[in-house]
Amino acid sequence: GQQLNQSPQSMFIQEGEDVSMNCTSSSIFNTWLWYKQDPGEGPVLLIALYKAGELTSNGRLTAQFGITRKDSFLNISASIPSDVGIYFCAGIDAGKSTFGDGTTLTVKP
Amino acid sequence: ETGVTQTPRHLVMGMTNKKSLKCEQHLGHNAMYWYKQSAKKPLELMFVYSLEERVENNSVPSRFSPECPNSSHLFLHLHTLQPEDSALYLCASSQEWLGASQETQYFGPGTRLLVL
Repeated sequence: GQQLNQSPQSMFIQEGEDVSMNCTSSSIFNTWLWYKQDPGEGPVLLIALYKAGELTSNGRLTAQFGITRKDSFLNISASIPSDVGIYFCAGIDAGKSTFGDGTTLTVKP
Repeated sequence: ETGVTQTPRHLVMGMTNKKSLKCEQHLGHNAMYWYKQSAKKPLELMFVYSLEERVENNSVPSRFSPECPNSSHLFLHLHTLQPEDSALYLCASSQEWLGASQETQYFGPGTRLLVL
C-alpha cells in the first residue's frame, strides 16, 4: 500500500525559531493535508493543498504541494509555546487517505 | 453546534462488555470514517461510509461493528474486545467520499478506549 515518510520524528526548538517538516512518498497524491493534534484530541486541519506547486499560508504556517506530487512540506515561522503538538501530513488519492507517522514539536519558552 | 462530535470521550471496558461509540457531524457531509490511532503508529482507517453505505472495510476484526443510520450519525459497536484494542478511536467526515477532487477530512476529538 501507499506509505508516507514524515520527518523529522520530533523537534525541540526555542520559542521564536522557525520550523520545517516534510512528507515524502513513492506514490503520487492529488491532495495533501496538514493536521495538528493536541494530546487527547483529534487532528485539526491546518492547511489543504490541491494543486502541484501550490503554496498556501495560514497565519504563521506555510505549506507547499511538491511539483512531483510525491511530497509536501510545512513551515512554521516564529514558533510560540502553543505550537506544541503532533503534526501529521496526509495524502489523498483514489478515495484513500494515507497518514504520516507525525512530527512531535516541543517549543521551549 | 458545529463540526464533528464524539461520545463518550473516554471509555473503560472489560473484555466481555458490549459498548458503542457515537459520532455526529453537523457539517452536512456525505461521507464518514472510523480510524484507530495507537501509540507510535500512523492512523489506521477502519471503515468508510458514503451516503450511509459502507464502501470500505479494512480487514477489521468482527468484534468491531459499524453502523450508519443516516449521513449525520456513525456508530462503532464494540463486543468482546482485547487489551490490544485500547487506542484513540477517531471519527472523521468529508463532503464526499475522498475520491472526489478538493476533498478534506474533518476529525472529531476521539474516544480514548481502554480495554481491561
